[in-house]
Amino acid sequence: AQTVTQSQPEMSVQEAETVTLSCTYDTSESDYYLFWYKQPPSRQMILVIRQEAYKQQNATENRFSVNFQKAAKSFSLKISDSQLGDAAMYFCASTGTGGTSYGKLTFGQGTILTVHP
Amino acid sequence: DAGVIQSPRHEVTEMGQEVTLRCKPISGHNSLFWYRQTMMRGLELLIYFNNNVPIDDSGMPEDRFSAKMPNASFSTLKIQPSEPRDSAVYFCASSFVLGPANYEQYFGPGTRLTVT
Repeated sequence: AQTVTQSQPEMSVQEAETVTLSCTYDTSESDYYLFWYKQPPSRQMILVIRQEAYKQQNATENRFSVNFQKAAKSFSLKISDSQLGDAAMYFCASTGTGGTSYGKLTFGQGTILTVHP
Repeated sequence: DAGVIQSPRHEVTEMGQEVTLRCKPISGHNSLFWYRQTMMRGLELLIYFNNNVPIDDSGMPEDRFSAKMPNASFSTLKIQPSEPRDSAVYFCASSFVLGPANYEQYFGPGTRLTVT
């Protein structure tokens, strides 16, 4: 079984500043994938970034990057040069590659990010 | 590609009525997922299909809920009879899952269901 925990219900950041959203997970699997999804007020779930557990290099997508600490089971999202359009609920999620978690996403509780102009 | 398509986008119904939610996954994807999102419980996986076959329905809350996937391009989630506590946003997502490689899930816009 997998669990994902986001300990920050809400975060705020000034426009153009940097913010980091925290996520910890627990899994018994040796191979798994981690994701960050963004859900703006339109409620559409949008994939932000993806990390494969076997890759040591942290994933980056433009202004979004992750700090993946496998031993600590930590997967934080850093948003640089924050923009008003980044305001949304952010979900951390994991999926396994075997057993009952194969192909299934387990989500954290979400973090609401507010961006102040 | 049009992405995952869900219909209707909004549904308002009275308690006891049957509700059917529809989903068309992305062409070429072999896995389909139904989720429910509420303030209290967050995002919950209800059921997931792989190659049109239900793999895990352990998240389906009770017998009032049923899901089908008659072919690779269509799935339905039915609630009969509906109850006020079923009010939520229901998402459909699809992905391509093959062997050890898991691919990210792409979500539809969701159906907001209100049961009065």
